Amino acid sequence: DSGVTQTPKHLITATGQRVTLRCSPRSGDLSVYWYQQSLDQGLQFLIQYYNGEERAKGNILERFSAQQFPDLHSELNLSSLELGDSALYFCASSKAYRGSTEAFFGQGTRLTVV
Amino acid sequence: ILNVEQSPQSLHVQEGDSTNFTCSFPSSNFYALHWYRWETAKSPEALFVMTLNGDEKKKGRISATLNTKEGYSYLYIKGSQPEDSATYLCASHPTSGTYKYIFGTGTRLKVLA
Repeated sequence: DSGVTQTPKHLITATGQRVTLRCSPRSGDLSVYWYQQSLDQGLQFLIQYYNGEERAKGNILERFSAQQFPDLHSELNLSSLELGDSALYFCASSKAYRGSTEAFFGQGTRLTVV
Repeated sequence: ILNVEQSPQSLHVQEGDSTNFTCSFPSSNFYALHWYRWETAKSPEALFVMTLNGDEKKKGRISATLNTKEGYSYLYIKGSQPEDSATYLCASHPTSGTYKYIFGTGTRLKVLA
């Protein structure tokens, strides 16, 4: 158990809908990262938050947004969903806002858009 | 190189064999390199974080080296065991203003008993 909790584990929704994925980082970790793994694709970095502020943006679509709350949990919002958004979404947390400390991954949320 | 490349893509070894994989990353703007072990149906598990040129890190039978000037890292597994079967990922963390991780596509290792 990495200490990072993601909910829900599975989500099935229809095209055009909006969903929210939730991540609770390890105790003491201030950084939260979101990643997407699509079929036959590697891990793609989406976005990073550190202590409530956005720190880095990767290949995140405009239909997607995220935030980190004062209690440090984070939510990834996916809207106007398309079939191609079906993927495994991982959250990871680390102590530092740069890459000098280990990142711990949650178990992921598998999103299926039908 | 602009991306992180890993080789080989997959590898089958016999139990007891030693093996190694390569991760090539952009040497400019280097900040850190991460190695992860990713078992099927689980989440990636951090193995090493390497930041200094010449770094060597070890955890049990697994070790890694880092060459930031030429942009590569090697991961070694000594005396492979079936439980070492997993995908081994590396991720480069450059010093650009966006601090984003760039993952390789991994080396899939299968250790045959």
